[in-house]
Amino acid sequence: DQQVKQNSPSLSVQEGRISILNCDYTNSMFDYFLWYKKYPAEGPTFLISISSIKDKNEDGRFTVFLNKSAKHLSLHIVPSQPGDSAVYFCAASSRGKIIFGKGTRLHILP
Amino acid sequence: SAVISQKPSRDICQRGTSLTIQCQVDSQVTMMFWYRQQPGQSLTLIATANQGSEATYESGFVIDKFPISRPNLTFSTLTVSNMSPEDSSIYLCSVGRTSGGYNEQFFGPGTRLTVL
Repeated sequence: DQQVKQNSPSLSVQEGRISILNCDYTNSMFDYFLWYKKYPAEGPTFLISISSIKDKNEDGRFTVFLNKSAKHLSLHIVPSQPGDSAVYFCAASSRGKIIFGKGTRLHILP
Repeated sequence: SAVISQKPSRDICQRGTSLTIQCQVDSQVTMMFWYRQQPGQSLTLIATANQGSEATYESGFVIDKFPISRPNLTFSTLTVSNMSPEDSSIYLCSVGRTSGGYNEQFFGPGTRLTVL
């Protein structure tokens, strides 16, 4: 049973517009959430995180929102740039163990 | 963050053989992990590599199939034994860091394994 779900396998967004990647989780014990970005032939790169005591964390063009009641988080990228084309993994942590979603492939269109 | 390298970056192997993947970190780290990413799937934790003691395996993974060594705080190996095509996957080493009381992980570039 998947504890971390990314229901959109892929997403296409026009360059300059906002990209919104969504993630749902089932385990209410998760207390820390992370987003990773992965280019082909490279390992995942840590992007941004949020603890369960917050509902928003911002770092430059990247903002993560957490809705604990809905067990939902999202990553907003604005404005989207060509270099943002990659696979994005949502991950959730409880007691040190990190569980990953299957990823969403983001295509930034020119 | 630490610089993590893996060798080999990719390999094509015959069924029934074994492959050892190396992970080298440029600084001493307490927590090292091995993950697998099968095609179209999420990253799945295989085991935690413990320095000086046996690795801690996740459900569904056993030492006979995936023996792990961790001789020091900068190096670990994962062996994929008696390989079958189902073992074709990307294998990733990661290191853990505690930030603000929470655990984050940083990944190596991965080893892409194809078993024929």
